[in-house]
Amino acid sequence: AQTVTQSQPEMSVQEAETVTLSCTYDTSENNYYLFWYKQPPSRQMILVIRQEAYKQQNATENRFSVNFQKAAKSFSLKISDSQLGDTAMYFCAFMKHGEYIFGTGTRLKVLA
Amino acid sequence: EADIYQTPRYLVIGTGKKITLECSQTMGHDKMYWYQQDPGMELHLIHYSYGVNSTEKGDLSSESTVSRIRTEHFPLTLESARPSHTSQYLCASSEGGNGYTFGSGTRLTVV
Repeated sequence: AQTVTQSQPEMSVQEAETVTLSCTYDTSENNYYLFWYKQPPSRQMILVIRQEAYKQQNATENRFSVNFQKAAKSFSLKISDSQLGDTAMYFCAFMKHGEYIFGTGTRLKVLA
Repeated sequence: EADIYQTPRYLVIGTGKKITLECSQTMGHDKMYWYQQDPGMELHLIHYSYGVNSTEKGDLSSESTVSRIRTEHFPLTLESARPSHTSQYLCASSEGGNGYTFGSGTRLTVV
């Protein structure tokens, strides 16, 4: 069975600095998808970034990028130039055949 | 604009009442999901559907039921609400490897 682990329950970062959120997963599958979702306080959960496992190139979306290490089963999220609006819960997720496994989340607080 | 809608946004209801949480999406997605989430905590899958007339229970045991009579509509029903049902309920849909689209959630309080 697949598992997703986010080992950092809470993190904080100063505004304009860079922070990395960790995510590891366990699977015997070779082709799958990985996602990072952002859930701001009392607001809708939105997709931040997605990675297809068969693509070696790390996905990037503006200030958000991932470090995808398939052999190590690691999928960390880097947020550059952190902004106050980045304060949120961040969930890592694994998907195969429409079945999603979510991590327990990391609460990120950006400090002014 | 294609999206997923949940109503109501907030609901406070008395113990023993029957409630239905609505979820509709305009994207034509076959796969839809219901999650239960206490504020700021992890997500627990309670129901999912891979198409019309197909529903399955998720990982977390729930006293709720769901139906999927139309592709776009996936309501969740609690026949008799209890204080232990107080939580946030998130609906989502997906297609292929594009990830979930989540609704805004329904925050339910049972008093």
